[in-house]
Amino acid sequence: GDSVTQMEGPVTLSEEAFLTINCTYTATGYPSLFWYVQYPGEGLQLLLKATKADDKGSNKGFEATYRKETTSFHLEKGSVQVSDSAVYFCALPNSGNTPLVFGKGTRLSVIA
Amino acid sequence: NAGVTQTPKFRVLKTGQSMTLLCAQDMNHEYMYWYRQDPGMGLRLIHYSVGEGTTAKGEVPDGYNVSRLKKQNFLLGLESAAPSQTSVYFCASREDTPGNTIYFGEGSWLTVV
Repeated sequence: GDSVTQMEGPVTLSEEAFLTINCTYTATGYPSLFWYVQYPGEGLQLLLKATKADDKGSNKGFEATYRKETTSFHLEKGSVQVSDSAVYFCALPNSGNTPLVFGKGTRLSVIA
Repeated sequence: NAGVTQTPKFRVLKTGQSMTLLCAQDMNHEYMYWYRQDPGMGLRLIHYSVGEGTTAKGEVPDGYNVSRLKKQNFLLGLESAAPSQTSVYFCASREDTPGNTIYFGEGSWLTVV
């Protein structure tokens, strides 16, 4: 079945460092791909998405490009801030009526 | 903009007690879901619903029951709580459009002692 694999971390970075969180997927066809973010004590919220191959999703300085050749959707940010500290989840739709398939999450801690 | 609302936010139960978590969404979504989140396990799907009056089992349904009597509400019940059900529970609903964005509630922290 469809699946998502992402680096599990934790990842600790200094403020203004470059961030990459890897995500690869296995799926039939070319589904939409998502990154969700969970801030401490909150639910998950959509960070960005890409609906077709070669699309780039972006939001809040984060970017991810849908690459069908490598079946990847890596999350990047050029300069992280302390406020970016959160858990990041890569996800893709499952087939039929079942919902998104999530990776296990990557915890990011940014220190000043 | 209420979105997805869960109640209660925090609850402590004794082993064997029962309780119901309520999820309400105001976006007219057909699809609704209950997940649990545990350290190192990510999100695991408990039950889901594809419309009013329907429910289906997810990845970890044992010990839980659900009901979707109204389109906007999705209830998760624990008939006899066990310490293994200590977790954070998230409700979510999904758009019925290409792209399938899921919207999450803020979570319900449940401790079973």
